[in-house]
Amino acid sequence: GAGVSQSPSNKVTEKGKDVELRCDPISGHTALYWYRQSLGQGLEFLIYFQGNSAPDKSGLPSDRFSAERTGGSVSTLTIQRTQQEDSAVYLCASSPDRATNEKLFFGSGTQLSVL
Amino acid sequence: AQSVTQPDIHITVSEGASLELRCNYSYGATPYLFWYVQSPGQGLQLLLKYFSGDTLVQGIKGFEAEFKRSQSSFNLRKPSVHWSDAAEYFCAVGGGEKLTFGTGTRLTIIP
Repeated sequence: GAGVSQSPSNKVTEKGKDVELRCDPISGHTALYWYRQSLGQGLEFLIYFQGNSAPDKSGLPSDRFSAERTGGSVSTLTIQRTQQEDSAVYLCASSPDRATNEKLFFGSGTQLSVL
Repeated sequence: AQSVTQPDIHITVSEGASLELRCNYSYGATPYLFWYVQSPGQGLQLLLKYFSGDTLVQGIKGFEAEFKRSQSSFNLRKPSVHWSDAAEYFCAVGGGEKLTFGTGTRLTIIP
């Protein structure tokens, strides 16, 4: 596609439920990133993929968070047993290469609300 | 560890006035520095970046930023703002796979 696509754009869930957030990067981009943007906070790095592998998972806040990427393309961020503090905008970005973040393209994000 | 500080949470300027958004960073080596803009309901868009060379970099939409190593700063400037510049602005630092962002500065433009 023309840009990074994220779905759903909005997700409302009940505390304790699991959610899956999807990211379709720009075709051919090898690097993919997940960030979380909470109200009044900057963008918090969650995880980075190069191809299908995740060299850096250091930002995942707890073991309730996991992510995978298949075929070097689509990525899914899963949050298990959601908590209210998980409410945030989850942003995905892709890049043609990993070397310098020079060309990082962001999606519009998924607004997650945990009630 | 790398970090970014944007000391101004919210700035209001009149249309046509000049603008400077502050950014200070902490990084162990020569940093790669970025400014992104986020309009309501939109993803982040790259305004400009500094990797090396000339410390004054030009970006899109008439923005520029100056890298000052001695002050660990990378302030964003625009000589005359337009109503369409109202948005959230994020400074970021990185030298590899991970970008670290500041908390952002919300810019309001008044007529």
